[in-house]
Amino acid sequence: AQSVTQLGSHVSVSEGALVLLRCNYSSSVPPYLFWYVQYPNQGLQLLLKYTSAATLVKGINGFEAEFKKSETSFHLTKPSAHMSDAAEYFCAVSDLDNFGNEKLTFGTGTRLTIIP
Amino acid sequence: GAVVSQHPSRVICKSGTSVKIECRSLDFQATTMFWYRQFPKQSLMLMATSNEGSKATYEQGVEKDKFLINHASLTLSTLTVTSAHPEDSSFYICSAREGQGSDYNEQFFGPGTRLTVL
Repeated sequence: AQSVTQLGSHVSVSEGALVLLRCNYSSSVPPYLFWYVQYPNQGLQLLLKYTSAATLVKGINGFEAEFKKSETSFHLTKPSAHMSDAAEYFCAVSDLDNFGNEKLTFGTGTRLTIIP
Repeated sequence: GAVVSQHPSRVICKSGTSVKIECRSLDFQATTMFWYRQFPKQSLMLMATSNEGSKATYEQGVEKDKFLINHASLTLSTLTVTSAHPEDSSFYICSAREGQGSDYNEQFFGPGTRLTVL
């Protein structure tokens, strides 16, 4: 089964600084990878996705992620943090269950705090 | 983009009662819907996958008699927590997808339902 590991359950950066949230995946086949953001008491919003096209993926709100097969990584970055970026971020990988249904497996999440 | 709604957004119930949560795709037909639960400060855990018109597929460790899922139409799925207990208190999130099987189609997430069982 596929899995993702998010290093760092909490990340704090100053407003205007670089944001780097780490995600490593485990997959026996080329994966589909995703980053989602969750604000308090809300559902998930898709930031960006990698589906085996360009390795550098640009998403919403200025975020981007680079798929690196050699490092099995899909880290999320943003050049300049904004106060509104404070949220929980989840990395996810697409997998197939025993019935051939596609499902998402989520990492444990990283809480991003922005320091004014 | 595609919109998924959930109702209610919050529910408080007494132990032993049953609670129904609705998940609707508002502007597309959802062939497949997913139900997740999320405990405080934890990740989403998939509970079950439901395809319209067929029985739901439950993840290992999820009691199908306790968490009844119905996907009777292409725009509505319901999750009923039967005989709820305090340990069932959680944030329940649904998602919906147009395609099924191995074709990639994005899942669109609802805003979640906070269940508190007293």
